[in-house]
Amino acid sequence: DVKVTQSSRYLVKRTGEKVFLECVQDMDHENMFWYRQDPGLGLRLIYFSYDVKMKEKGDIPEGYSVSREKKERFSLILESASTNQTSMYLCASSPAGGGQFFGPGTRLTVL
Amino acid sequence: GESVGLHLPTLSVQEGDNSIINCAYSNSASDYFIWYKQESGKGPQFIIDIRSNMDKRQGQRVTVLLNKTVKHLSLQIAATQPGDSAVYFCAENVGGGYNKLIFGAGTRLAVHP
Repeated sequence: DVKVTQSSRYLVKRTGEKVFLECVQDMDHENMFWYRQDPGLGLRLIYFSYDVKMKEKGDIPEGYSVSREKKERFSLILESASTNQTSMYLCASSPAGGGQFFGPGTRLTVL
Repeated sequence: GESVGLHLPTLSVQEGDNSIINCAYSNSASDYFIWYKQESGKGPQFIIDIRSNMDKRQGQRVTVLLNKTVKHLSLQIAATQPGDSAVYFCAENVGGGYNKLIFGAGTRLAVHP
């Protein structure tokens, strides 16, 4: 079975802090994705990566950056957290030509 | 747990009945479709997929139907159980590489005993 893990299920941070969200997949997938999910807005793509050290902006990249130094790991970085970044963050991975498999999510609260 | 989405359409069914969840997709060039199930507080779970060269695919208790003429996708769940209660999303892959998906808003399925 595909396994996508995220470093934290729940996280509470203060405004202005730098936040790292880690995602690891164990299926050697080429593609990895970061989404946020908010009530009434559905899933919105922040960034994705199709290869090591490669990244592409999604629909809402502002305020975020990403890092993919190894194929299995894709990190989302909030350089200076703000209250409007309080959300559920979901990581996904997919093979070329296949469906996306999601992690359990990280619920981030920024105070 | 916190709800996945507010004001989602809701389908209420009795335990043991069959459920049909519908989805209209947007892009006639989409070539791959997926249904996801999301329980409260959890990440979306891959249920079943179908490629555009098929019009029906069956899994365990689930069937996906694809009508490309009207850009419509449906998920049928046989003998619905309380554990099927969740939000269900369809997703379409518009191609062009990278496996980017466009997600539907979702439908909440409520199963009553």
